[in-house]
Amino acid sequence: DAGVIQSPRHEVTEMGQEVTLRCKPISGHNSLFWYRQTMMRGLELLIYFNNNVPIDDSGMPEDRFSAKMPNASFSTLKIQPSEPRDSAVYFCASSFGQGANEKLFFGSGTQLSVL
Amino acid sequence: DAKTTQPNSMESNEEEPVHLPCNHSTISGTDYIHWYRQLPSQGPEYVIHGLTSNVNNRMASLAIAEDRKSSTLILHRATLRDAAVYYCILRSGNTPLVFGKGTRLSVIA
Repeated sequence: DAGVIQSPRHEVTEMGQEVTLRCKPISGHNSLFWYRQTMMRGLELLIYFNNNVPIDDSGMPEDRFSAKMPNASFSTLKIQPSEPRDSAVYFCASSFGQGANEKLFFGSGTQLSVL
Repeated sequence: DAKTTQPNSMESNEEEPVHLPCNHSTISGTDYIHWYRQLPSQGPEYVIHGLTSNVNNRMASLAIAEDRKSSTLILHRATLRDAAVYYCILRSGNTPLVFGKGTRLSVIA
C-alpha cells in the first residue's frame, strides 16, 4: 500500500482565496483524522471521521474551515476564505478503527502558506 | 484525556541506548500508552504501544512501570536517523490521539 496520500505537498495562496486540501486514506481503513501543526500550537486535531461520518469537529478553528468525506477513499479540508494565520502544515491520518488499541498512519502533510 | 509529562529535550550519543521517560500519574485502567515520533519535515510515525506489559518491536521497546504511572521508550542503539520529536500519548475508548509537546531527541555522532 502507498500509505496515506495527501495533495498538494505545498500550497501558496493569497489571503481571501479558497484552499482545498486532499487526502486518500489507506485502503480498508475506516477512521480518518485531520491535524494541523504550527510552531506555536504544535499538533492539533481538527476533525475526525469514522465510516465517513464526522465524529468530532470541535477542533475546527472557525466556520471558514470545513471537511468532508464523501466516500471511504477520499476526504477534503477546505478553508474559505483563507487568512495568513491559517499558514501551517496540515496532516491527514487514517486507522483501521477508532479504538484505543489502533495505530494511526500519517501522510506527509500539506505545507500551506497564506500570503 | 489523561496527561503525560515528558522532558523537553534529550541528547544521546550515536550507537548508545536511549531511555525516553514519560510520566502519566493519572492514567486510568483502560488507557493505552502510545509512542509516536516525528522526524524533521515528516508526519508523525507510530513507534510502539502497550497497556500493562512491556512490549518489544523492531523499532523500540516499551517498559511500563508496575503501577503504570510511568513508562520508558527504549531505543537500543541510537542512530542519527532516530533524531526526532518523541510523543508519549494516552488513549482510551474511542478517543483520538491528542499530541503534547513531546521530547526532542538529538543524536550526536
